[in-house]
Amino acid sequence: DIQMTQSPSTLSASVGDRVTITCRASQSINNWLAWFQQKPGKAPKLLIYETSSLESGVPSRFSGSGSGTEFTLIIGSLQPDDFATYYCQQYNTYPWTFGQGTKVEIK
Amino acid sequence: EVHLVESGGGLVQPGRSLTLSCTAPAITFEPNAMHWVRQVPGKGLEWVSGITWSNGEIGYADSVRGRFTLSRDIAKKSLYLQMNSLRAEDTALYYCAKDTKISDWALRSWGQGTLVTVSS
Repeated sequence: DIQMTQSPSTLSASVGDRVTITCRASQSINNWLAWFQQKPGKAPKLLIYETSSLESGVPSRFSGSGSGTEFTLIIGSLQPDDFATYYCQQYNTYPWTFGQGTKVEIK
Repeated sequence: EVHLVESGGGLVQPGRSLTLSCTAPAITFEPNAMHWVRQVPGKGLEWVSGITWSNGEIGYADSVRGRFTLSRDIAKKSLYLQMNSLRAEDTALYYCAKDTKISDWALRSWGQGTLVTVSS
């Protein structure tokens, strides 16, 4: 099974900060990587698919990059609505797997 | 946005069985795949199982393989998760999720979840 290692687990930041979250796969996932945002009591929301494609309706301050086994989610300028938990997920091979999550907190 | 509706959750004793259902009544095209993802309250997301809609290929997480069985009814646009030999650690909110783009399998559409509590 492919393991997804996400870091950091918690991140404290201020409005306007640039935020970087990383995700490492235990083997190649052919860029089939997605990033989700989840707020308390809500279902996850897709932000980025296929490593770097921005989902329709998602603000352009969110971006994804990477290849092979190393991937990154960047929030260009953190906004109040962005305080949430973020997950990466590989969808290259069953069983699909999520990273452990990164909680972005207000500094 | 396509809405998914889960049902079947509830309180069940350890060792017993429960079947979850997910319907997508408004979809007009077949997804690439449909899945169950669970989340223990306050914890992270765990992909549980998924089925490729066209050929029925199924995947399971190691934590449920051999105890859970996934199936689909194409005509009813429905997904089912039969959960046997339930354990306390299966207690979670179970989400049904699917893709909505033929060219990409990422999970764009999610239900609101159905809560499964395994306790004596």
